[in-house]
Amino acid sequence: ETAVFQTPNYHVTQVGNEVSFNCKQTLGHDTMYWYKQDSKKLLKIMFSYNNKQLIVNETVPRRFSPQSSDKAHLNLRIKSVEPEDSAVYLCASSLQGAHGNTLYFGEGSRLIVV
Amino acid sequence: SQLAEENSWALSVHEGESVTVNCSYKTSITALQWYRQKSGKGPAQLILIRSNEREKRNGRLRATLDTSSQSSSLSITATRCEDTAVYFCATDASGSWQLIFGSGTQLTVMP
Repeated sequence: ETAVFQTPNYHVTQVGNEVSFNCKQTLGHDTMYWYKQDSKKLLKIMFSYNNKQLIVNETVPRRFSPQSSDKAHLNLRIKSVEPEDSAVYLCASSLQGAHGNTLYFGEGSRLIVV
Repeated sequence: SQLAEENSWALSVHEGESVTVNCSYKTSITALQWYRQKSGKGPAQLILIRSNEREKRNGRLRATLDTSSQSSSLSITATRCEDTAVYFCATDASGSWQLIFGSGTQLTVMP
């Protein structure tokens, strides 16, 4: 049963455009994450938020910016996309942090940059 | 560099056979988790095994943890075609606000 919802599922855009991905969780969790999954299935953490506060901000290009309006929502905006941004972006949530807690993932948002 | 790493990139077995995926990690951990990702879906947790546990079971799945050698294994018995997926081990990094995933093992179960 899905409790982390991502939109859109799929997006094709041209180099230089702006895209946004939305994520909502209905689990009542405090922590949300964005991961990037490349074509080899490697999962890399990008950001994590706890109760709307940015906690982890891995080394990602400045064109990526997360946005959290409340603890149930964490969106990801990419200004001026590049070809290497083509990937699946996965949103996840956990009760509070990853310290021995389960992460619940959405189904992902696939971005193709042409 | 990866803090957790599965030892095989790909495995294939026939239905009904057993298979084991191994994982090594580099940090002290609170827990090690195993996730499965089916095609077109997000990863879903299979087992969470805490640092003070040596073995955990979930139906046909059995995970072991050896903190002295910093390794873990996930065994699946009586495999089914629907077990075909990428299997990841994951550990919580220092600070515990992120889960670090290994590079994954693609398991294919053939009829």
